[in-house]
Amino acid sequence: EAQVTQNPRYLITVTGKKLTVTCSQNMNHEYMSWYRQDPGLGLRQIYYSMNVEVTDKGDVPEGYKVSRKEKRNFPLILESPSPNQTSLYFCASSLSGPDGYTFGSGTRLTVV
Amino acid sequence: AQTVTQSQPEMSVQEAETVTLSCTYDTSESDYYLFWYKQPPSRQMILVIRQEAYKQQNATENRFSVNFQKAAKSFSLKISDSQLGDAAMYFCAYRSAWLRGGADGLTFGKGTHLIIQP
Repeated sequence: EAQVTQNPRYLITVTGKKLTVTCSQNMNHEYMSWYRQDPGLGLRQIYYSMNVEVTDKGDVPEGYKVSRKEKRNFPLILESPSPNQTSLYFCASSLSGPDGYTFGSGTRLTVV
Repeated sequence: AQTVTQSQPEMSVQEAETVTLSCTYDTSESDYYLFWYKQPPSRQMILVIRQEAYKQQNATENRFSVNFQKAAKSFSLKISDSQLGDAAMYFCAYRSAWLRGGADGLTFGKGTHLIIQP
């Protein structure tokens, strides 16, 4: 089944403890992207990647890192999480512009 | 930068009726793509319908159709014969066509919460 897989689905962590949210797609998509969703704000882009080793900042990149060493994987790294990073996170991938993005199931992150 | 505005935070419709969700956007580009995504309580983001800006014909997917007005920068979603399963958050999104030359990704509106009354 063609899909984007994110793990974990739920995560509670403490301030300052490094964490990684994994994202993998099995559709051979070039484009991948991370979004955060907050009530009343919609979804905002954190980082995107247009190919292996090509990544760039989105609208809200502060406090996040990404890497794209393989085409299928695009992990999101929070080096020192803070409570304002409590949010619902989505990874998504796309083949081309008209196709839109296929989204993962989301990761609910709580930083205490 | 592009912006997407959904002016209706919440809409309510009777089951089997028709409802229209509004979306406007601002861009200086001539070529782009527009999408409507549905997010039910399961929180999964589901692509409902897409429109390519260079196509004048409005997209249709079963009970879902759009009214794309390029000059007015408007992209509304019409849901006919509303069903209980249509209850969800609906997000309008914009994507530039110039993927090779600039930034990629979707710019979203803040969403419209659609309630279906039985």
